[in-house]
Amino acid sequence: AQSVSQHNHHVILSEAASLELGCNYSYGGTVNLFWYVQYPGQHLQLLLKYFSGDPLVKGIKGFEAEFIKSKFSFNLRKPSVQWSDTAEYFCAVSSSNTGKLIFGQGTTLQVKP
Amino acid sequence: DAGITQSPRHKVTETGTPVTLRCHQTENHRYMYWYRQDPGHGLRLIHYSYGVKDTDKGEVSDGYSVSRSKTEDFLLTLESATSSQTSVYFCARSPSGDYNEQFFGPGTRLTVL
Repeated sequence: AQSVSQHNHHVILSEAASLELGCNYSYGGTVNLFWYVQYPGQHLQLLLKYFSGDPLVKGIKGFEAEFIKSKFSFNLRKPSVQWSDTAEYFCAVSSSNTGKLIFGQGTTLQVKP
Repeated sequence: DAGITQSPRHKVTETGTPVTLRCHQTENHRYMYWYRQDPGHGLRLIHYSYGVKDTDKGEVSDGYSVSRSKTEDFLLTLESATSSQTSVYFCARSPSGDYNEQFFGPGTRLTVL
C-alpha cells in the first residue's frame, strides 16, 4: 500500500531562517505529488504540485519543492520564512486517475517573529 | 470560500446516534471526497464520488456511508456514531481525477461522547 511520511512533526524557526520539510513516499509507479498548507482557521490550499517535467517546482508564496525519484522524496523548501508562514503543511501523493490522495501526517511550522 | 461549504461546522453527539454531514459545492465539479483529519495521521480518505450516484471507498470507510444524488451535494453518514469517529471532517472537490488539485471545504468538527 502507498504511504507518505513526513519526517518533521513540529518545526520552530525564527523569521528569515531557511526551511526544508521532508517528505518521502512509498510507491514504485508513476506518482503525482502535492504540498498543501493549512493556515490557522483556514481551508487547506495547494502550495505546489508535481506531475512531470522539471523536478524542481515552484509554488505560491516563495515555496519550492524538488522531486528526487531515486530517493522517493519531495521535500519542500523556502529560503527565508516569514511569521505568516506559520501553518500546518501536508505532503500528499496520488497514483491513480481517481485523484485519491494519500497524505502524510503533517508538519506544524511555527515561525517566531 | 473555495466554492465548497460544509454543514454543520461543529457538532456534538452521543454514541450510537446517526449523524449526517453535508458538503455542498458550487463549481459543478465531478469528483468529491470526504476525509478525516486526526493528529498524527494527517488526512485519510473515507469515501469519494466520481459522479452522481457513483461512489467508492477510501482507506478508512468502515462505519461510514455516503450518497450523492446531485452533483453539488455529497453527504457523509455515520449510521451509529462511535467515540473513535470524533474527528475533523473535510470535504473536497475536483474537476477530474487526473492532474487536478482538490479544493477543500472549511471542515466539520465532530465530537462523539
